[in-house]
Amino acid sequence: AQKITQTQPGMFVQEKEAVTLDCTYDTSDQSYGLFWYKQPSSGEMIFLIYQGSYDEQNATEGRYSLNFQKARKSANLVISASQLGDSAMYFCAMRRMDSSYKLIFGSGTRLLVRP
Amino acid sequence: ETGVTQSPTHLIKTRGQQVTLRCSSQSGHNTVSWYQQALGQGPQFIFQYYREEENGRGNFPPRFSGLQFPNYSSELNVNALELDDSALYLCASSLGRDRGYGYTFGSGTRLTVV
Repeated sequence: AQKITQTQPGMFVQEKEAVTLDCTYDTSDQSYGLFWYKQPSSGEMIFLIYQGSYDEQNATEGRYSLNFQKARKSANLVISASQLGDSAMYFCAMRRMDSSYKLIFGSGTRLLVRP
Repeated sequence: ETGVTQSPTHLIKTRGQQVTLRCSSQSGHNTVSWYQQALGQGPQFIFQYYREEENGRGNFPPRFSGLQFPNYSSELNVNALELDDSALYLCASSLGRDRGYGYTFGSGTRLTVV
């Protein structure tokens, strides 16, 4: 069965510093996709970054990068130059790249950026 | 380009009642998925609709049902509400059922069952 594990319930980071949010996954599939979403208190899930299992390069989107280590089955999110607006819940998710359509989410990490 | 709109934003229902939640897809998107997010947890997949047909379902009982309309908007219906149904219900739309990414989520409906 597929599973996403986020072991950090809460994290603090100083404004302008970088922070890494951990995500490990469990799957026997060869083809899958990994996502990170941000969820502010408003509730909306905001897409941040995507990594395909066959992508050789780590994904980057602005201040977000994904440290993909396939052998370790980890997909950590790195946020550089943290901003106060980055304070939110962050979810790692996985999707099989076949006829299964669902996203499987982890339990999330609450990030608080200190001024 | 409009995003995903969900209504209502908040709802309080009594145990045993029925509820209907609504979702308007992002313009051009033909696939809608529904997720349940209990407090302090990640979202759980309920089901997905593609071109008005259910084509994927999570581990939820039949009292959770849905519809997708020709304009690709969608409804989630929950019968015989239970206290554990209290959660944030998220709708996500996408273009095509097999896209690996490109899901757009709404802000959700927060349902409280008392």
